[in-house]
Amino acid sequence: DAGVIQSPRHEVTEMGQEVTLRCKPISGHDYLFWYRQTMMRGLELLIYFNNNVPIDDSGMPEDRFSAKMPNASFSTLKIQPSEPRDSAVYFCASSLGVLWGYEQYFGPGTRLTVT
Amino acid sequence: AQTVTQSQPEMSVQEAETVTLSCTYDTSESNYYLFWYKQPPSRQMILVIRQEAYKQQNATENRFSVNFQKAAKSFSLKISDSQLGDTAMYFCAFMTQGARRTSGTYKYIFGTGTRLKVLA
Repeated sequence: DAGVIQSPRHEVTEMGQEVTLRCKPISGHDYLFWYRQTMMRGLELLIYFNNNVPIDDSGMPEDRFSAKMPNASFSTLKIQPSEPRDSAVYFCASSLGVLWGYEQYFGPGTRLTVT
Repeated sequence: AQTVTQSQPEMSVQEAETVTLSCTYDTSESNYYLFWYKQPPSRQMILVIRQEAYKQQNATENRFSVNFQKAAKSFSLKISDSQLGDTAMYFCAFMTQGARRTSGTYKYIFGTGTRLKVLA
């Protein structure tokens, strides 16, 4: 398996623009997670899905952020409008389950820079 | 609320030596899982080791082992015979079932990380 795939790897955009980050989880994994990593706040869980359904979005910072999972092999994280403070590395991860402490497999991340 | 604390922002160790990274956590849950993840300069997060809270025995994976002290809520990572390839950020993570048990929510919390540099 190719692992978790994220695109783009790097994104530079201007403040106010819409940004869409994409993720393809590992085939067969039921859980998908979106994280944001910054120097100040470390790694934060934004939202996660189980069988394409959002389960917990309490980590989403504000209404400018939205995430969807239209099918088992694709998810998006959208920021509209983007702001400079959204600059971070965004990771997608997938997992076979959560019981028994299944590990999460992370993608390579998308480095987002908002100017 | 659950928290994970890594009090060592940076550490260094000589190649072939042993180093211990500390992690403490706070929770009122009795059943949970603890993890150490490694993030090398490539940014790819990789699971190093996992510990189930109800297991007394400390987990080990080759050169990596943990010292799990449940009463003290401590979960340190020991790396033996350090290698240059161990240079990375190391994150301690905690997972437990969320408050809404019937809906199957889970909480994942990561520490702020420890940057480890292995010196030649």
